[in-house]
Amino acid sequence: NAGVMQNPRHLVRRRGQEARLRCSPMKGHSHVYWYRQLPEEGLKFMVYLQKENIIDESGMPKERFSAEFPKEGPSILRIQQVVRGDSAAYFCASSLNPAITGELFFGEGSRLTVL
Amino acid sequence: AQSVSQHNHHVILSEAASLELGCNYSYGGTVNLFWYVQYPGQHLQLLLKYFSGDPLVKGIKGFEAEFIKSKFSFNLRKPSVQWSDTAEYFCAVNGNNRLAFGKGNQVVVIP
Repeated sequence: NAGVMQNPRHLVRRRGQEARLRCSPMKGHSHVYWYRQLPEEGLKFMVYLQKENIIDESGMPKERFSAEFPKEGPSILRIQQVVRGDSAAYFCASSLNPAITGELFFGEGSRLTVL
Repeated sequence: AQSVSQHNHHVILSEAASLELGCNYSYGGTVNLFWYVQYPGQHLQLLLKYFSGDPLVKGIKGFEAEFIKSKFSFNLRKPSVQWSDTAEYFCAVNGNNRLAFGKGNQVVVIP
């Protein structure tokens, strides 16, 4: 049973370009979360999605960031017009039913470097 | 909103030493508590979790944690660490259907 798959693992972009990060949840999981990790800052919640719905985006910057989880295909975190401050590791996690288990299963992360 | 505090971000100790990592949380509702571990270059993995019942929770690799409701704490312990326990450890609390994480403890075990 494959775990949470994220790609690309490493992404380099120049300022002003777009970054797209993909996440395929574990089989059977319909709840997806995106977190951002900066050194010595832990993981910061960004967004929580279910299939075709954004449930909670309170951690997303208001501009340039967007996320989706379509009916078919992976969840995508999109960062437009990247700036150096966007450099970080972005982790995706999935859950079967967070209200019951609470446990999240994490992918290996996508490390974005903005030059 | 829930929040989690972890102290002593960097911990260095020798093999066979005992480890205790503090975790304090704030959340007004019923909490579920977790400790995750991130080994170098790997993804986060669940060490243990508390939902209800016995406040002393045993996890994988000899780790345990104690939930003390009156102190809003969920400290992680291991009596005797090994070099392979070198990793970053994150405490998390579940509320509003998402996990809030602390800043983590970077633990280095010297052989």
